[in-house]
Amino acid sequence: DADVTQTPRNRITKTGKRIMLECSQTKGHDRMYWYRQDPGLGLRLIYYSFDVKDINKGEISDGYSVSRQAQAKFSLSLESAIPNQTALYFCATSDSGTDYQETQYFGPGTRLLVL
Amino acid sequence: AQTVTQSQPEMSVQEAETVTLSCTYDTSESDYYLFWYKQPPSRQMILVIRQEAYKQQNATENRFSVNFQKAAKSFSLKISDSQLGDAAMYFCASGGTSYGKLTFGQGTILTVHP
Repeated sequence: DADVTQTPRNRITKTGKRIMLECSQTKGHDRMYWYRQDPGLGLRLIYYSFDVKDINKGEISDGYSVSRQAQAKFSLSLESAIPNQTALYFCATSDSGTDYQETQYFGPGTRLLVL
Repeated sequence: AQTVTQSQPEMSVQEAETVTLSCTYDTSESDYYLFWYKQPPSRQMILVIRQEAYKQQNATENRFSVNFQKAAKSFSLKISDSQLGDAAMYFCASGGTSYGKLTFGQGTILTVHP
């Protein structure tokens, strides 16, 4: 089984709808991240969480919110989706308790299309 | 703040040949790490190689190696004996120990010709 899972894998929604993307991990890592990938722009950080009570905005947090329900779960919400939020979304994890704390491990991605 | 630049949008190589992908970065961190990730058509982000900035020795992982030039802020990836399965988008990324986030470059699409 995959260590980092994302649901759904693909989603089509309409402008103005609320949508939630979910991420779960079995790696036991304390840090979790949400990125979006757009062609020609690489991956950009939306939100990150270093533990359940520590949530921080990344470089492109406007229009998004997150919830860290447990150490293993980190959800990303689009309160009112708009077409320019069409992108590939990745969840990632890392472990602050090791020498490899900066190494992030990614989920399979969620492709979101907002019509 | 950190920036990562990949100046080669696309590269190609013949199977069994060697190819080098370029990356430059800028960071205000004194302690940082550099990474290369591979994204095949399956879109999964796969860690290829990792380099600690405080280490002078270049990292290697089987056919993959880096040329880390700290003063020049350059971090290139060399793929030896290229295989068809190496065809993918490659991303360079940097991360500082003070905040644990990664900054990515724009990516380089690598095509491997049989």
